[in-house]
Amino acid sequence: AQSVTQPDIHITVSEGASLELRCNYSYGATPYLFWYVQSPGQGLQLLLKYFSGDTLVQGIKGFEAEFKRSQSSFNLRKPSVHWSDAAEYFCAVVLNSGGYQKVTFGTGTKLQVIP
Amino acid sequence: DAGVTQSPTHLIKTRGQQVTLRCSPKSGHDTVSWYQQALGQGPQFIFQYYEEEERQRGNFPDRFSGHQFPNYSSELNVNALLLGDSALYLCASSFGRAEQYFGPGTRLTVT
Repeated sequence: AQSVTQPDIHITVSEGASLELRCNYSYGATPYLFWYVQSPGQGLQLLLKYFSGDTLVQGIKGFEAEFKRSQSSFNLRKPSVHWSDAAEYFCAVVLNSGGYQKVTFGTGTKLQVIP
Repeated sequence: DAGVTQSPTHLIKTRGQQVTLRCSPKSGHDTVSWYQQALGQGPQFIFQYYEEEERQRGNFPDRFSGHQFPNYSSELNVNALLLGDSALYLCASSFGRAEQYFGPGTRLTVT
C-alpha cells in the first residue's frame, strides 16, 4: 500500500531564512506527488504538483519541490520564508488506477515563522 | 468561479444522531471526494463519487455514506454519530485525473 512520511512534525524558521520540508513516499511506481498548504481552520490549497518530466517543479508563493526517484523523496523548498508562510504543509501521493484517484496524505508539518 | 463550497461551516451534534454535509464542486469538475481530518492529523480518504456512483472507498464503516447528484454536487451522511467522528470534513473536486481542489471544510463536533 502506498504511504507518505513527513518526518518533521513541527519546524521553526526565522523570517527570511530558507526552508526545506521533507516528504518520503512508499510506492512501487512513480506516483503523482503534491504539496498542499493549510492555514488554521481552512481547507487545503495546492502549492505544486509533479506528474512527470522535469524533476524540479515550481509552485505558487515562491515554493519549489524536487522529485528524487532514488530517494523516494519530494521535498518542498523556499529560499526566503515570509511570516505569512506559517501554516501546516501536507505532502500527498496520488495513485491513479483504472481511472480512479486515491489520495494519501502525510501527517503534515507545522511551520512556525519567527521574526 | 466560486471554487469548491461546503455547507454548513460548523455543526454540533449529539452522539447517536445523524448528520448530512454538502459540497458543490468547482465549475467544470465531475468528481467529488470526501476526507476526514481529525485534529492534528492529515486528511483521511472516505470515498469518491463519479457519475453519481461511489467508485472508491477508504477504510470507513458503513455509517458513512454519500450521494452525488446530476449537477455533480454531493452529500456526505454519517449515521449513529460517535465522539470520534468529531473532525473537519473536507470535500475535494476534480476533473478526470487532474489535481483535486479542496473546499474550506465543515467542522463537525459530536458531544
